[in-house]
Amino acid sequence: ETGVTQTPRHLVMGMTNKKSLKCEQHLGHNAMYWYKQSAKKPLELMFVYSLEERVENNSVPSRFSPECPNSSHLFLHLHTLQPEDSALYLCASSGISGANVLTFGAGSRLTVL
Amino acid sequence: AQKITQTQPGMFVQEKEAVTLDCTYDTSDQSYGLFWYKQPSSGEMIFLIYQGSYDEQNATEGRYSLNFQKARKSANLVISASQLGDSAMYFCAMRVLDTGRRALTFGSGTRLQVQP
Repeated sequence: ETGVTQTPRHLVMGMTNKKSLKCEQHLGHNAMYWYKQSAKKPLELMFVYSLEERVENNSVPSRFSPECPNSSHLFLHLHTLQPEDSALYLCASSGISGANVLTFGAGSRLTVL
Repeated sequence: AQKITQTQPGMFVQEKEAVTLDCTYDTSDQSYGLFWYKQPSSGEMIFLIYQGSYDEQNATEGRYSLNFQKARKSANLVISASQLGDSAMYFCAMRVLDTGRRALTFGSGTRLQVQP
C-alpha cells in the first residue's frame, strides 16, 4: 500500500462518544499534519508533528487529542464533540526539506449528532 | 502571518479551452513557496504544481502552469486544454521557507466545472 491512508472514511458519533481517526503513511516522510475542512471555509491547520514531536498546535479545543506513536502513524482522538465539529478531517505527511510538498489522505468525514 | 486570497468561488470552462484560476498572497517574507492542489469530490487533496519565490521561470507540469507575478503577489494557475476530469475544487497554498514552520496556509478555493 502506498501514499497516505485514513480510516475510517466516514464516522457518525454522538456527542458523548469517544472515537479515533487513524492516519498511516508509507512514503518515508517524517512530518505529519491534521487539517480540518468545514463547509465554505479554508482548510484549518490543527496539529503538526515533526519527527514524532508535536511542533504546532493551532489553538485546537482539548476535545481533540492527537497522538503520533511513530513517524508512520498519526491518530486524532475525539471525545465529547459538538455538532459544529462535523467536517472532513484531512491527514497529510511530508519530508522536512526542500519544497515540503504535503501528500494528503482522502480524509475522514465526521458527523457529530 | 500569511494570507491567501482566491476571489473566484466558482468558474465554468468549456472542454478543451484554457482557464485561469486566480490566487493572490500576502507575506512580508522573501523566501516562500506557492502550491496548487486539486480536490475532487472524493475528498483527497492532489498536489499539482509548486513555485518557489526565487524561481526565475514559471513552473509548468503537463497541462498546468503557474503564472507567477512576484511584484503583484499573484500566483495564478493556468489549466490548458480542459478535460471533464478537471472538474474539482482547486486550492492555492503557501509556506514561508525560512521559519522552520512546515504547514501550508490555504485559500478558500475555486470550484471549477468543465462543460462538454
